[in-house]
Amino acid sequence: DTGVSQDPRHKITKRGQNVTFRCDPISEHNRLYWYRQTLGQGPEFLTYFQNEAQLEKSRLLSDRFSAERPKGSFSTLEIQRTEQGDSAMYLCASSSPVMGQDFWEQYFGPGTRLTVT
Amino acid sequence: SQQGEEDPQALSIQEGENATMNCSYKTSINNLQWYRQNSGRGLVHLILIRSNEREKHSGRLRVTLDTSKKSSSLLITASRAADTASYFCASTSSGTYKYIFGTGTRLKVLA
Repeated sequence: DTGVSQDPRHKITKRGQNVTFRCDPISEHNRLYWYRQTLGQGPEFLTYFQNEAQLEKSRLLSDRFSAERPKGSFSTLEIQRTEQGDSAMYLCASSSPVMGQDFWEQYFGPGTRLTVT
Repeated sequence: SQQGEEDPQALSIQEGENATMNCSYKTSINNLQWYRQNSGRGLVHLILIRSNEREKHSGRLRVTLDTSKKSSSLLITASRAADTASYFCASTSSGTYKYIFGTGTRLKVLA
């Protein structure tokens, strides 16, 4: 399977703990996105990488959130001092530029469901 | 909220009928896309329409775009039970890499 993979698929943690999620994009996709989705809502943009550079970060993202993509391949999203409001599905997507077009179709992973108790 | 809005929020139709869902967005866009989400396959890209296009077709899907009204619609013809899912629009704008998703329409197709 050469799709986007995310690990873990489910995470239950206690308030105040730190959690880290991993995303492995499709090979050679140079663009990687993180989103958060809560029940009944559409995905909300968190951050975007082109290769290893983090080019955009949502104002919604507090200082407790950090993301990295150290070698331009896999990415990690860390949430420090988790709060109950962080409970959500965290989605990763990757894409690759298509020559001559200004749009890149995103391929989404299955998500990591975080529950903060 | 930065999210676009979709209506209806939920739609229930009989198999074979057509389903239409609408999306409104807030800023000028480069492109608008539609995605489908169900529990089995996650989020899947369906179709793209660029800001200079007014209508696009792909199989049983038809998308229209009205930039003057900042709105788009997705028509699914001859619906099937397998079309049961949530449908989201997502737009991109100049100067940003963000995709702004709508709130989604939950479609249920009854066999």
